[in-house]
Amino acid sequence: ETGVTQSPTHLIKTRGQQVTLRCSSQSGHNTVSWYQQALGQGPQFIFQYYREEENGRGNFPPRFSGLQFPNYSSELNVNALELDDSALYLCASSSGLAGVTETQYFGPGTRLLVL
Amino acid sequence: AQSVTQLGSHVSVSEGALVLLRCNYSSSVPPYLFWYVQYPNQGLQLLLKYTTGATLVKGINGFEAEFKKSETSFHLTKPSAHMSDAAEYFCAVETQGAQKLVFGQGTRLTINP
Repeated sequence: ETGVTQSPTHLIKTRGQQVTLRCSSQSGHNTVSWYQQALGQGPQFIFQYYREEENGRGNFPPRFSGLQFPNYSSELNVNALELDDSALYLCASSSGLAGVTETQYFGPGTRLLVL
Repeated sequence: AQSVTQLGSHVSVSEGALVLLRCNYSSSVPPYLFWYVQYPNQGLQLLLKYTTGATLVKGINGFEAEFKKSETSFHLTKPSAHMSDAAEYFCAVETQGAQKLVFGQGTRLTINP
């Protein structure tokens, strides 16, 4: 059984560019959540996808968008990058909706640097 | 709104000493509580979780935590620290149906030889 994987591991972009981050969920999991972890901070919830539909969103602007595919892998897209978008982006997968026993399993993250 | 406060951004203990990492939460409904650990340049690994039932929860690597509703706390402990415990620890809360984890700021644990 493979765990949650993310690509790329590191990425450098400049302000105004667009970026796509990818996540493969753990086998058997149909829910993917994305979190942003700024340096020295705890992760902050961006949004969640359940069976290809957005199912909950945190306090992030619309330039943060996502997709979930039929195989439950997911993409996070960020348009018009800003310096403050520099962070570790974490993907977490779970089976069913995140709830009582649906533990979220995290990937290693993608570290994004915006110059 | 839910929130999590971790007291102490940095905790340092000697190898073999007791580890105590503090977490207080605010939630208008009974929460589900989690502790995650993050090693350098890695993602988050679940240590333990409380949902319902027994308030003392045992996790991996010898860690345990106790849910105290009256104190709105979920402190993490380990009787004897090991060098491999050095990492960042995050407490998180989730309300059933909220579909998201709310994390604290984290506590960096350093183990002195």
